[in-house]
Amino acid sequence: NAGVTQTPKFRVLKTGQSMTLLCAQDMNHEYMYWYRQDPGMGLRLIHYSVGEGTTAKGEVPDGYNVSRLKKQNFLLGLESAAPSQTSVYFCASSYGSHTGELFFGEGSRLTVL
Amino acid sequence: EDKVVQSPLSLVVHEGDTVTLNCSYEVTNFRSLLWYKQEKKAPTFLFMLTSSGIEKKSGRLSSILDKKELFSILNITATQTGDSAIYLCAVEAGWGADGLTFGKGTHLIIQP
Repeated sequence: NAGVTQTPKFRVLKTGQSMTLLCAQDMNHEYMYWYRQDPGMGLRLIHYSVGEGTTAKGEVPDGYNVSRLKKQNFLLGLESAAPSQTSVYFCASSYGSHTGELFFGEGSRLTVL
Repeated sequence: EDKVVQSPLSLVVHEGDTVTLNCSYEVTNFRSLLWYKQEKKAPTFLFMLTSSGIEKKSGRLSSILDKKELFSILNITATQTGDSAIYLCAVEAGWGADGLTFGKGTHLIIQP
């Protein structure tokens, strides 16, 4: 019963390096989200997708790109990592809008040196 | 800009105490308010509230929404050490599908 799976779970990068976080869900959900969580800041929305082939910006999109080529996968990319992007990243999915509840992955801890 | 404010930000109580966590919001086109519990990893869903005055209950946890005064409370009675966690309040609002707006969370510590 996988639900929402994120890879990798931990990563250390040097400033300027690039990387991609992968989120996969097996619940046939239409909507997928990427959040970041920083101490004292709560969860903030980076980008989201309302279906295969669509993406949209959230509250804090700068420095990130996303792609949703397949319904079950949502990728978050950092083209040139910065120390300010050190955070814990959570992927989430939901069946649709107006349903409220999000299902979260277990998080990916990224450190940028 | 949508805003969700939780209080207190942290709370330390003894096992057996009752706690009340607060969440106020200012959003456009409110749809629902949700509570999540976050222990070490992913937030897990507790309650979704859409109507004023109707209490949702699950064991020792309960929650209620006041849409006139724009707040919700989460009550935990007879607290146990396993209740120690960050409790997140989130609001679904607007007209699109842009997810939830989260508060900063209340870090609850239950001491034996």
